[in-house]
Amino acid sequence: GAGVSQSPSNKVTEKGKDVELRCDPISGHTALYWYRQSLGQGLEFLIYFQGNSAPDKSGLPSDRFSAERTGGSVSTLTIQRTQQEDSAVYLCASSLPQADTQYFGPGTRLTVL
Amino acid sequence: SQQGEEDPQALSIQEGENATMNCSYKTSINNLQWYRQNSGRGLVHLILIRSNEREKHSGRLRVTLDTSKKSSSLLITASRAADTASYFCALLRGSEKLVFGKGTKLTVNP
Repeated sequence: GAGVSQSPSNKVTEKGKDVELRCDPISGHTALYWYRQSLGQGLEFLIYFQGNSAPDKSGLPSDRFSAERTGGSVSTLTIQRTQQEDSAVYLCASSLPQADTQYFGPGTRLTVL
Repeated sequence: SQQGEEDPQALSIQEGENATMNCSYKTSINNLQWYRQNSGRGLVHLILIRSNEREKHSGRLRVTLDTSKKSSSLLITASRAADTASYFCALLRGSEKLVFGKGTKLTVNP
């Protein structure tokens, strides 16, 4: 079956612009995660969705970051008024309920000029 | 720190040799996972070891876990050029979110 997909694969934007990153999880996976990986850094948790429960937003670095998950499937991560320090690879992952293994998408490389 | 810390940061070996990477952590865990990342993009899950397990095998991979020392090791035997990648250990914390270390960059020279 299809894995986790993300779009776009690369995004270049100007400082101050808003961007939207999309994630399509594996069908049937009710859990969805967003992570960020900055150059030379480890992966940083951003947000977690599980079914209809309130999302865990504890990793979002500022109020410029938000995410939605519509219909329990596709998720969009929105970054408003982008800053240069937002440049990173944004990774999405999904998993089955109560499963420990997460399946990652290929990521979106965001460059803020 | 809640994350694991991999050691070494970088490792370069010849094809056919074994590669050993270590992960140390400070908190209690339910399980510890190892992931591989090629070219700075998507991660691939390699193996999961639970806190009540001491050793686990998967193909050329062998993972050990010592909860008394709060450490884990990943051994890749008979390495291949295709094993060149970054390897991360990850701890499952809180609401199923994974906390990753900064990784070990492995280079396998043909």
